[in-house]
Amino acid sequence: QLQLQESGPGLVKPSETLSLTCTVSGASIITTTYWWGWIRQSPGKGLEYIGAILYSGNTYYNPSLKSRVTMSVDTSNNHFSLRLTSVTAADTAVYYCARRGYADHEFDYWGQGALVTVSS
Amino acid sequence: EIVLTQSPATLSLSPGERATLSCRASQSVTSYVAWYQQKPGQSPRLLIYDASTRATGIPARFSGSGSGTDFTLTISSLEPEDFAVYYCHHRNAWTFGQGTKVEI
Repeated sequence: QLQLQESGPGLVKPSETLSLTCTVSGASIITTTYWWGWIRQSPGKGLEYIGAILYSGNTYYNPSLKSRVTMSVDTSNNHFSLRLTSVTAADTAVYYCARRGYADHEFDYWGQGALVTVSS
Repeated sequence: EIVLTQSPATLSLSPGERATLSCRASQSVTSYVAWYQQKPGQSPRLLIYDASTRATGIPARFSGSGSGTDFTLTISSLEPEDFAVYYCHHRNAWTFGQGTKVEI
């Protein structure tokens, strides 16, 4: 059974960098059939798709966040990561990692979510 | 940018009733529309993709339809566990619809 698990600090100071890792178990991250993505959910903005990465390192990012986002993949440890720089209170949200179908683009497996609060 | 608008915001129904949820795109889109269900404290769960294909393990009472700018999720007969928030999403959209809450 495929499982995804987010991990990382729950509290980040304004202007600093948010870093999260998603560990994948039950399947290899090395696949051309799926992208590995990040979505966040906040009361103010609802569900927002941040972007995704392929095992090869190919990425695509939400244009509104592109200047601050970096995603990476570690095939040896079967995980992928998100970095979001220069955070503000508006970046406070539950961050989900999810698997996205390459062909149909659906998010079929999700992590449980990690609440990240931006506050001094 | 594609914007998805869901209606109604809240749907008040009883178990056994039929639920019809709407998702309208700001421009004509391909049929890569998915529907998700989210319960309090849980992650979204994929119900429908490609507008009308049920995801693995999803009961037949859930169905999706639509094309162009208008898409619909129908729950033919509500079960107690179906009361939740439902979101639509299109492959080319950076945000999901704002959600429809189906409440008892």
